[in-house]
Amino acid sequence: GAGVSQSPSNKVTEKGKDVELRCDPISGHTALYWYRQSLGQGLEFLIYFQGNSAPDKSGLPSDRFSAERTGGSVSTLTIQRTQQEDSAVYLCASSLVEGSSSYEQYFGPGTRLTVT
Amino acid sequence: GNSVTQMEGPVTLSEEAFLTINCTYTATGYPSLFWYVQYPGEGLQLLLKATKADDKGSNKGFEATYRKETTSFHLEKGSVQVSDSAVYFCALPNTGRRALTFGSGTRLQVQP
Repeated sequence: GAGVSQSPSNKVTEKGKDVELRCDPISGHTALYWYRQSLGQGLEFLIYFQGNSAPDKSGLPSDRFSAERTGGSVSTLTIQRTQQEDSAVYLCASSLVEGSSSYEQYFGPGTRLTVT
Repeated sequence: GNSVTQMEGPVTLSEEAFLTINCTYTATGYPSLFWYVQYPGEGLQLLLKATKADDKGSNKGFEATYRKETTSFHLEKGSVQVSDSAVYFCALPNTGRRALTFGSGTRLQVQP
């Protein structure tokens, strides 16, 4: 079946511009996660959505970062007024959560963001 | 919160050599443990998992045993191939949330 997809695969933007990154999770997966992978910081958790519950935003690095998930499926991560330190690969993952204790997550290919 | 520590890389081996990548964890209780792999230019893929103490996860010739006595989940393979060249991440769920906490990753390079 189809896996997690992300778009765009690459994004180059100028410092100060806003960007939107999209994630399509695996159909039927109720949980969706955003992570950031950068050279200096490794893999960092950003935000977690589960069904209709309020998202866990505890990993967002600043108020320039926000995310939404529409209809319990597609998610958009928005970064406002981008800075050079935002350059990283942004990874989306999804998982079945209800009834699952293993927290097994399936990752998309990522969006490589470069802020110039 | 829960955390993992992985051995530093890169690890360079010749084809058919034995591989061990060390991973130790600190956790409340006995959470599931995971190894993810990232091949060049690709996203993270789940390699194997263990959901309780003393479980052994295995896939593609790789194995890891959940050892609560030593709080370890070391990744092993008896005979590596060039195609195993990738970055390997140990991971576990973070305390109080369902997101994963990852180790720093270990790059494996297998030479023919």
